[in-house]
Amino acid sequence: DVKVTQSSRYLVKRTGEKVFLECVQDMDHENMFWYRQDPGLGLRLIYFSYDVKMKEKGDIPEGYSVSREKKERFSLILESASTNQTSMYLCASSTPQGITEAFFGQGTRLTVV
Amino acid sequence: GQQVMQIPQYQHVQEGEDFTTYCNSSTTLSNIQWYKQRPGGHPVFLIQLVKSGEVKKQKRLTFQFGEAKKNSSLHITATQTTDVGTYFCAGYSKAAGNKLTFGGGTRVLVKP
Repeated sequence: DVKVTQSSRYLVKRTGEKVFLECVQDMDHENMFWYRQDPGLGLRLIYFSYDVKMKEKGDIPEGYSVSREKKERFSLILESASTNQTSMYLCASSTPQGITEAFFGQGTRLTVV
Repeated sequence: GQQVMQIPQYQHVQEGEDFTTYCNSSTTLSNIQWYKQRPGGHPVFLIQLVKSGEVKKQKRLTFQFGEAKKNSSLHITATQTTDVGTYFCAGYSKAAGNKLTFGGGTRVLVKP
């Protein structure tokens, strides 16, 4: 059974904290993605990675950074959390160019207070 | 940059009725994928279309990819309460490389 696992289901952090969201996949996928989901705005791409140590900005990268030191792990970093980063964060992985579908993790609901 | 838009944003459907949701891309797509997200869940893959004009069916769901590979539709017949959820289209374009861009989704509510 293929899996994308996000480290936390729920997180509460304080404004200004550095926050790490971790994602691990066991399918040997090249591509990994971080999206945020807000009501009425769908899934917005923050960053994606197509190989180890490679990363590209998505549509809303401001305030975020990422790290991919190993193929199976893709981390999203909020350098200094702000209340407008309160959201549902979804990690996904896939083979290149959509040869297969994207598999999603369960999501992390982050609240910044 | 690449944009993918979906309409309508919300769809209230009487049980047993049909409806269609539409997806439009600002750029030509290599393929288009459709996902369903149940309330409280994460998006789950439904289908992928690759060829221009392609039509695929899954029971009561019919998916279509436009001739220009810039639009797609999902038609559901005889809606059931199990169809409740948000339906997303998503696409790759050669210009955008490995970037998978999602539409805003259509949230479907079914009235029994």
